[in-house]
Amino acid sequence: AQSVAQPEDQVNVAEGNPLTVKCTYSVSGNPYLFWYVQYPNRGLQFLLKYITGDNLVKGSYGFEAEFNKSQTSFHLKKPSALVSDSALYFCAVRDKQDNQGGKLIFGQGTELSVKP
Amino acid sequence: AAGVIQSPRHLIKEKRETATLKCYPIPRHDTVYWYQQGPGQDPQFLISFYEKMQSDKGSIPDRFSAQQFSDYHSELNMSSLELGDSALYFCASTFLGAGNTIYFGEGSWLTVV
Repeated sequence: AQSVAQPEDQVNVAEGNPLTVKCTYSVSGNPYLFWYVQYPNRGLQFLLKYITGDNLVKGSYGFEAEFNKSQTSFHLKKPSALVSDSALYFCAVRDKQDNQGGKLIFGQGTELSVKP
Repeated sequence: AAGVIQSPRHLIKEKRETATLKCYPIPRHDTVYWYQQGPGQDPQFLISFYEKMQSDKGSIPDRFSAQQFSDYHSELNMSSLELGDSALYFCASTFLGAGNTIYFGEGSWLTVV
């Protein structure tokens, strides 16, 4: 079964410092991986995805993620954190059904706190 | 750009009552998903539809049912509500295809008292 894990419940960084939110995956076949962000009492906003191709994926709001097949990881990164980046971040894997696509399976979520 | 529209955004129901949530997917999207997110939890998949047919089923209670209509909007019907049903319910939509992005609505907050 497809699954993702986010080993950190919370990540704290100072504004202006680089940030990393970790995600590891367990899938059969090639993974389709996604990152979403959720602000308090809001919906899930798509940040970026890895389907195929370049291992470094660039997304919204200056975020990027690196797909590492050997380490089965898809960590979310940003070179310089902003206070406004403080939110709940979810890694997800697509539950492919005959390559037609399927539901997203989410990790546990990581609360990112960026302090001034 | 048009997004996924959910209504109502908030509703309060008493135990054993019934609630209906509505979802309007992004125009021309053919697939709809419903998720439930409890406080401090990750979203849990309930059910999905492709071209108005149920395509997958997750941890949806028997008290809940859903359908997708000819105009592609979807409704989640919840009966005999329990306190534990209090949660944020998300609808999401996409085009069929594993690499396509799934877009989420803002969610409907259900509180059961």
